[in-house]
Amino acid sequence: EVQLVESGGGLVQPGGSLRLSCAASGFTFSSYWMSWVRQAPGKGLEWVANIKQDGSEKYYVDSVKGRFTISRDNAKNSLYLQMNSLRAEDTAVYYCARDFVRFEYSSSAARFVYYYYMDVWGKGTTVTVSS
Amino acid sequence: EIVLTQSPGTLSLSPGERATLSCRASQSVSSSYLAWYQQKPGQAPRLLIYGASSRATGIPDRFSGSGSGTDFTLTISRLEPEDFAVYYCQQYGSSPRWTFGQGTKVEIK
Repeated sequence: EVQLVESGGGLVQPGGSLRLSCAASGFTFSSYWMSWVRQAPGKGLEWVANIKQDGSEKYYVDSVKGRFTISRDNAKNSLYLQMNSLRAEDTAVYYCARDFVRFEYSSSAARFVYYYYMDVWGKGTTVTVSS
Repeated sequence: EIVLTQSPGTLSLSPGERATLSCRASQSVSSSYLAWYQQKPGQAPRLLIYGASSRATGIPDRFSGSGSGTDFTLTISRLEPEDFAVYYCQQYGSSPRWTFGQGTKVEIK
């Protein structure tokens, strides 16, 4: 079964640090880009960061640049998010998700195209930043 | 940066009715980069539609997607009790890499 399981969430004071982990199973982890997506209480989804298969490319939403670092260990089938200088506005459920890319023929476009979406999600881990 | 605006914010309907959800982009989006997700309380999002109109594996055919350019639509032909949830559109871009709409809640009338 394809599965993602997050861990590492908890209560942390403003300015503190936390490291989230995501354990992948049931698929070839090293073949996929991976993302972190968060959801503040009662709010919508916000993409946080993603990382290429070999870790050579990483992208972040502006609000976390310089504070958060995404990384992965393909030997351990694991994704990480190191969060430093945490703020109250970082309080959220953090989801790990698989970025899926498929290249196939589109009848509407009458050509081959790339499709992008997130097809597998973990259940999330809760981060609360509060004094 | 492309902004996705979903409407309405809340849709109050009865089981068996048709639901039409809108997702409007601030700039033209490639259809193959547009997806829809369903999220129920306390659960992770679930992929429904990718490429604007292709159903994901295991998604019932009462769910359909359409649109192009800046206007996209998710339609639920006949609402089942399990369809009452929040729905998000999403697009893949350059910066930021992924953008979500703010969501539409489909609630029981």
